Amino acid sequence: NAGVTQTPKFRILKIGQSMTLQCTQDMNHNYMYWYRQDPGMGLKLIYYSVGAGITDKGEVPNGYNVSRSTTEDFPLRLELAAPSQTSVYFCASSYPMGGSGVGDEQYFGPGTRLTVT
Amino acid sequence: AQSVTQLDSQVPVFEEAPVELRCNYSSSVSVYLFWYVQYPNQGLQLLLKYLSGSTLVKGINGFEAEFNKSQTSFHLRKPSVHISDTAEYFCAVSLMNTGFQKLVFGTGTRLLVSP
Repeated sequence: NAGVTQTPKFRILKIGQSMTLQCTQDMNHNYMYWYRQDPGMGLKLIYYSVGAGITDKGEVPNGYNVSRSTTEDFPLRLELAAPSQTSVYFCASSYPMGGSGVGDEQYFGPGTRLTVT
Repeated sequence: AQSVTQLDSQVPVFEEAPVELRCNYSSSVSVYLFWYVQYPNQGLQLLLKYLSGSTLVKGINGFEAEFNKSQTSFHLRKPSVHISDTAEYFCAVSLMNTGFQKLVFGTGTRLLVSP
């Protein structure tokens, strides 16, 4: 298993440009998440999904959109990039062993480092 | 709302010395507790977690943590560190009674192990 894969690894965007960060998992996990990690801060949840066709906002969703058309893929879309979106983005997935997913381990991808100038 | 405090942003230590990384949390309801490790240029990896039962939890790579409900702490310890333990360590909590797991992370502690 490759686990959770993310592309690209690095990207530089100009202000106002758009891009999609790709995330794929091959573990048949129902739950998927997008986080951002800013220097000196913990991870903040952007969006999450409990299954194909179901997504919901996390703590910091403004400026982002997501979709979940398959179990495997959970892309994150930036429509109008702003310098405040310069960050490292992590995708994660988990399998809801206990039904609700509470207490389950989350498996993380290697991250995408995005710079907006 | 729950929160996590990791008071030490950086902990330097010599190889083979013991180490403790501190984590305190704040929550009005019961929580699950986690420690994740992030090696340079990698994603996070679960070290250990506390869900219930024994308050002393053993994890991978010789790490252990103790849940202390009265002090709302979940400190991470290792009796003898290696150079390869150099990484960033994150404490996280999730509420027990929610319909979905939302992890709240601390700001991280960078462990620097030198020879």
